[in-house]
Amino acid sequence: DGGITQSPKYLFRKEGQNVTLSCEQNLNHDAMYWYRQDPGQGLRLIYYSQIVNDFQKGDIAEGYSVSREKKESFPLTVTSAQKNPTAFYLCASSTLRDQPQHFGDGTRLSIL
Amino acid sequence: QKEVEQNSGPLSVPEGAIASLNCTYSDRVSQSFFWYRQYSGKSPELIMSIYSNGDKEDGRFTAQLNKASQYVSLLIRDSQPSDSATYLCAVRREYGNKLVFGAGTILRVKS
Repeated sequence: DGGITQSPKYLFRKEGQNVTLSCEQNLNHDAMYWYRQDPGQGLRLIYYSQIVNDFQKGDIAEGYSVSREKKESFPLTVTSAQKNPTAFYLCASSTLRDQPQHFGDGTRLSIL
Repeated sequence: QKEVEQNSGPLSVPEGAIASLNCTYSDRVSQSFFWYRQYSGKSPELIMSIYSNGDKEDGRFTAQLNKASQYVSLLIRDSQPSDSATYLCAVRREYGNKLVFGAGTILRVKS
């Protein structure tokens, strides 16, 4: 089945630690996105990539980093510089044409 | 002014009634609009896309778009308790293939 796989489902970060969230898709989509959702709020864009080896900052990129070495994969690193990382992180993908984005199941990140 | 605004709700409707969810947006050049449903603790799932002025129907769902008024709505006919969720309105920005999401409207369908 085609889809977007995020792992892990739950993740805990210690003070000063970097953690990496995985996102893999087998939909052959060119574009991939990372969003953050806080309770009672909509989704906010962290980073996005429209092509391999290229990515752009979204609205809240500070404290995060990404890479896009393969079309299928778009991992997100939450660095120690992100002081309030507790949130629900969602990865999405789409074709480059004017088509909707589809989401993975998300990763919940909490601080220990 | 937020780019995409929704009434947070909760909107409560009885089972079998029509639920009407509304969304306004600020970017006049936006061309693409999406409605997502999000159950508690889950990721958003796409339920409707609309690109042209007017109505678009899919089963019990109807999306309505009025670009002149910068307004998009979602009607759910014959509402069911399983429709109880948060509904997110998303608008594509003109450049960069990026979506901007509203904060969502909580819908509760009471049996």
